[in-house]
Amino acid sequence: EAGVAQSPRYKIIEKRQSVAFWCNPISGHATLYWYQQILGQGPKLLIQFQNNGVVDDSQLPKDRFSAERLKGVDSTLKIQPAKLEDSAVYLCASSPTLAGGFDEQFFGPGTRLTVL
Amino acid sequence: RKEVEQDPGPFNVPEGATVAFNCTYSNSASQSFFWYRQDCRKEPKLLMSVYSSGNEDGRFTAQLNRASQYISLLIRDSKLSDSATYLCVVGGGNKLTFGTGTQLKVEL
Repeated sequence: EAGVAQSPRYKIIEKRQSVAFWCNPISGHATLYWYQQILGQGPKLLIQFQNNGVVDDSQLPKDRFSAERLKGVDSTLKIQPAKLEDSAVYLCASSPTLAGGFDEQFFGPGTRLTVL
Repeated sequence: RKEVEQDPGPFNVPEGATVAFNCTYSNSASQSFFWYRQDCRKEPKLLMSVYSSGNEDGRFTAQLNRASQYISLLIRDSKLSDSATYLCVVGGGNKLTFGTGTQLKVEL
């Protein structure tokens, strides 16, 4: 079974530039998550989708971050404009469960973003 | 107070040792508890779920104390390959909250 795919794996940009990350979850998984993991910290949930609807985006800095999951499959996360403090690994995860349950989350390899 | 708190370590232990990690959580309504493992520069992977009755998987034992709101992970007979960061994860409502992780280094 193919795992969660993410691209790019690495990205270096200057502050105030824009960047986009892509995630393809495990086939058939209803729930998709985007996390931000800053060095030395645990993953912090940015947004959670159930199929193509948003379940939780309370920790998403909406003035600069946006995400979508068209057709309930692939998802993109965008930062516009980037700040130095956005330097982190952006992890995408998926799970088969609909909202309300907690199955195992399967993580992709992440995108390591460096903002200069 | 953080929602999920862990001692970041590092815990440096010799091969064969027994090591225990604790994690505390602030939301008494939390319903689900997990330990994830994260190797250096890799993604987190589920190690084990934590049940109220406690559960064991080989050398790993997880326990939950709801009254005191803490979770523990015990690793017996540590191997070099156990070196990693162990993330405590607590679920409530629709959200999972990750701790900062405890770093374990197993040495010869």
